[in-house]
Amino acid sequence: SQTIHQWPATLVQPVGSPLSLECTVEGTSNPNLYWYRQAAGRGLQLLFYSVGIGQISSEVPQNLSASRPQDRQFILSSKKLLLSDSGFYLCAGANGAQETQYFGPGTRLLVL
Amino acid sequence: AQSVTQLDSQVPVFEEAPVELRCNYSSSVSVYLFWYVQYPNQGLQLLLKYLSGSTLVKGINGFEAEFNKSQTSFHLRKPSVHISDTAEYFCAVSDRVTNAGKSTFGDGTTLTVKP
Repeated sequence: SQTIHQWPATLVQPVGSPLSLECTVEGTSNPNLYWYRQAAGRGLQLLFYSVGIGQISSEVPQNLSASRPQDRQFILSSKKLLLSDSGFYLCAGANGAQETQYFGPGTRLLVL
Repeated sequence: AQSVTQLDSQVPVFEEAPVELRCNYSSSVSVYLFWYVQYPNQGLQLLLKYLSGSTLVKGINGFEAEFNKSQTSFHLRKPSVHISDTAEYFCAVSDRVTNAGKSTFGDGTTLTVKP
């Protein structure tokens, strides 16, 4: 199995400030990596996924971007946060479509 | 395109009673099926998954689910729940065709077990 690390656990940021959330993977190589956002009382919305270094697919148009500079590092960024960017952000990794997705502990982002 | 519908947003149940959490899906391609559990302020953990073979799948913590292809359902069951089963439960499908493993999640079912 693999372990997904995310930090920070909680983040409060002003509107218009930049964002960088980091996710690292331990225990596997060349995983598929995913960023999800979970709104209160809702399911998970897939934001980005990556099948390899430098390969990013965006699922929804938004104010955020993602990068994968190393095999086991996945970063979620924004140049200017919006109020609507508030939410619970989860990083996950998997070794294929039939494999379990392993989730990190999540980052709760509050934009004020 | 895929979609997942969890038919009950909240399920209250008494301790030691049986429970069923319902999940229907639609997809234009063949899919894998998953159930995950999320405890407050944590990530998701896998309960069980259906890839192929027997349509009855057993998972952790005494949960099981049955894949019904004709009804496109994957309902989760437990014969006797505990207080510690109180959590959010998510049904998910993953595209078999590509290896990107993109999953579509339902909106979740909040299971509350009362003493």
